[in-house]
Amino acid sequence: RKEVEQDPGPFNVPEGATVAFNCTYSNSASQSFFWYRQDCRKEPKLLMSVYSSGNEDGRFTAQLNRASQYISLLIRDSKLSDSATYLCVVNRGGSYIPTFGRGTSLIVHP
Amino acid sequence: GAVVSQHPSRVICKSGTSVKIECRSLDFQATTMFWYRQFPKQSLMLMATSNEGSKATYEQGVEKDKFLINHASLTLSTLTVTSAHPEDSSFYICSARDLGGQSSGANVLTFGAGSRLTVL
Repeated sequence: RKEVEQDPGPFNVPEGATVAFNCTYSNSASQSFFWYRQDCRKEPKLLMSVYSSGNEDGRFTAQLNRASQYISLLIRDSKLSDSATYLCVVNRGGSYIPTFGRGTSLIVHP
Repeated sequence: GAVVSQHPSRVICKSGTSVKIECRSLDFQATTMFWYRQFPKQSLMLMATSNEGSKATYEQGVEKDKFLINHASLTLSTLTVTSAHPEDSSFYICSARDLGGQSSGANVLTFGAGSRLTVL
C-alpha cells in the first residue's frame, strides 16, 4: 500500500460546482497534513494545512479523519482558476519528512 | 514569506555530462532541504533529505553516487546529477522548511521553482 494515495481524476466540473477530493494515508503515526496546489509545469504551492478540528479558508474546507486515515478537501463555488492538480501531503509518522500523493487533477469548465 | 530560489530553471545537456542544481533559502536558514523528482503526470518522488553539515539521507532506490547532494551552509544545497543519461530527464524540485516562520508554521514547505533537465 502506498504511503499516500489519491484518485488522480481528472475531475471535470462546471463553474460554480462543489467538488471534493479525498486522500488516504497508511501511517497512523502521521501528525501533519497539507494540501498543495500545483499548476502545470510549476512548483507546488501551499493551499492549506489540515488541522484535527478541520479548517476553512474561503471556499476551501479541509477535514482530517484519523480513525479512517484520510483527509479531504472541499472546494465550493468552483472558479476556472481553480483548475490545477491538488497534492495531498502527509508527514511520515514520527518525522518531518513530507510524502506526496500523486495529485488529483481538477478541471473547471465554463 | 519564505522564499526558495532554485537555479537553473531549465538545462539541456549531452549524455554523460554532469549538471549541478542549486537551491537557496533567501530569507531564512534551512538546516534541512528536500530534493524531489517529478516525471510527467506523476507524483513528486522524494529523492533525498539534505542535512546541513552532514551527509544526505537518500530514499531507497536512489543512487547516492549518481545524485550528489551537498549542503555546506544553512542557505544552500546543491544536487549534482553525475554522468547524466536521457532517463534522468525530469523536473527536479527542492524545498525547505522555515522553522522560524510565523505565518506558515514549522511544518510547511516552501518550494523552489524547479529545474527541468533534458538530457540528449
